[in-house]
Amino acid sequence: DTEVTQTPKHLVMGMTNKKSLKCEQHMGHRAMYWYKQKAKKPPELMFVYSYEKLSINESVPSRFSPECPNSSLLNLHLHALQPEDSALYLCASSQEFVAGDAYEQYFGPGTRLTVT
Amino acid sequence: AQKITQTQPGMFVQEKEAVTLDCTYDTSDPSYGLFWYKQPSSGEMIFLIYQGSYDQQNATEGRYSLNFQKARKSANLVISASQLGDSAMYFCAMREGETSGSRLTFGEGTQLTVNP
Repeated sequence: DTEVTQTPKHLVMGMTNKKSLKCEQHMGHRAMYWYKQKAKKPPELMFVYSYEKLSINESVPSRFSPECPNSSLLNLHLHALQPEDSALYLCASSQEFVAGDAYEQYFGPGTRLTVT
Repeated sequence: AQKITQTQPGMFVQEKEAVTLDCTYDTSDPSYGLFWYKQPSSGEMIFLIYQGSYDQQNATEGRYSLNFQKARKSANLVISASQLGDSAMYFCAMREGETSGSRLTFGEGTQLTVNP
């Protein structure tokens, strides 16, 4: 099973709403990632969790709050978002690094978020 | 400074012909990995091929091959016998370092269109 699942597929929320994006993998991967992608642009890294601990935060505004409740799950809590936060949010996971391995990231299908 | 450069915003190829997508990179880390991902219009990022900085031979995966020229810092993707389903955005990416949860840096992407 090389699948990363994300829910919901689409989300429309107002600027005062609170919502959460969910990501799940059952590949035993110990690193999980959140990316934001605007149309026609590359993904931008937001957060990295390694062994369920936040290891990288790319200076993301606090209206985005990540959570890793266990090694298979990754959440992104959203609050008081702005219209410019509308984007495709991609989750990814990768195995523990082993020298010589590809250590590729497997991506989920993404959540298309629209903030109105 | 741009770490991954893809100079071709768009490329066109006839079905069944080969096409090369360019990628140059910049790093001072002796250990790094280079990846190519495909992103169809549906949004999911699909891992295609990997080349490690210490790999002596060019990577191949089915119709995909990576022309790795370390001294020139280039890692071009060659797609042989193009198919209509190859039409998508293609991203070159680099991982620097050897730790779990390493950052992946993407280029701006090349939009490939395969014509019948």
